Amino acid sequence: DIVMTQYPVSLPVTPGEPASISCRSSQSLLHSNGNMYVDWYLQKPGQPPQLLIYLGSNRASGVPDRFSGSGSHTDFTLRISRVEAEDVGIYYCMQGQQTPYTFGQGTKLEIK
Amino acid sequence: QITLRESGPTLVKPTQTLKLTCSFSGFSLTSSTVGGVGVGWIRQSPRKALEWLALIYWDDVKSYNPSLETRLTVTKDASKKEVVLTMTDMDPVDTATYFCVRTDSGPYLHDAFDFWGQGTVVIVSS
Repeated sequence: DIVMTQYPVSLPVTPGEPASISCRSSQSLLHSNGNMYVDWYLQKPGQPPQLLIYLGSNRASGVPDRFSGSGSHTDFTLRISRVEAEDVGIYYCMQGQQTPYTFGQGTKLEIK
Repeated sequence: QITLRESGPTLVKPTQTLKLTCSFSGFSLTSSTVGGVGVGWIRQSPRKALEWLALIYWDDVKSYNPSLETRLTVTKDASKKEVVLTMTDMDPVDTATYFCVRTDSGPYLHDAFDFWGQGTVVIVSS
């Protein structure tokens, strides 16, 4: 199985400041079609996870442009340009390269 | 509007079989225009770890997590818009929230889970 490792585990952020979450995979997530098969999800308190970013850098429908994804092969980053109060929750990366699909352990973003 | 809703028992005893039903609306599981539409299951442990369990696609192709494959069965009734997950030999470590999810590899080129149910809590205890 591909292991996904996220850091930090906890991320306190002041509103208006940027935030960054890292994710490392145990194998390259570069597909033969040139895309990175990594997605990012956000689970807000009391809600199911929601798709934020797919294929490494594409925002899902309705996701604000303050969210961006980047990275290649085994190292990926989710960035929030200016954190807002509604961004609190647990962020997960997930690899879609091969089954079983696997998730990182999550990064909990909280407001300072 | 796409929605998914999980239903099933909250409490099961060790060694029993769990049956969960996902009722969905707003899309079809009888055909797919481009790529592959599917419905799957993901669970979340009390410590918030996410684990992908299984998927069934519009063409009845199925995929399972190998670590649980011997215990899992996923079926669909596309006309009723339902997907059923069966998990045998339940154990306390299977205590989790079970989510029903949709995937559509058409726009995403792979299995990205763009719609989730609210989840159903399953507790395994004697």
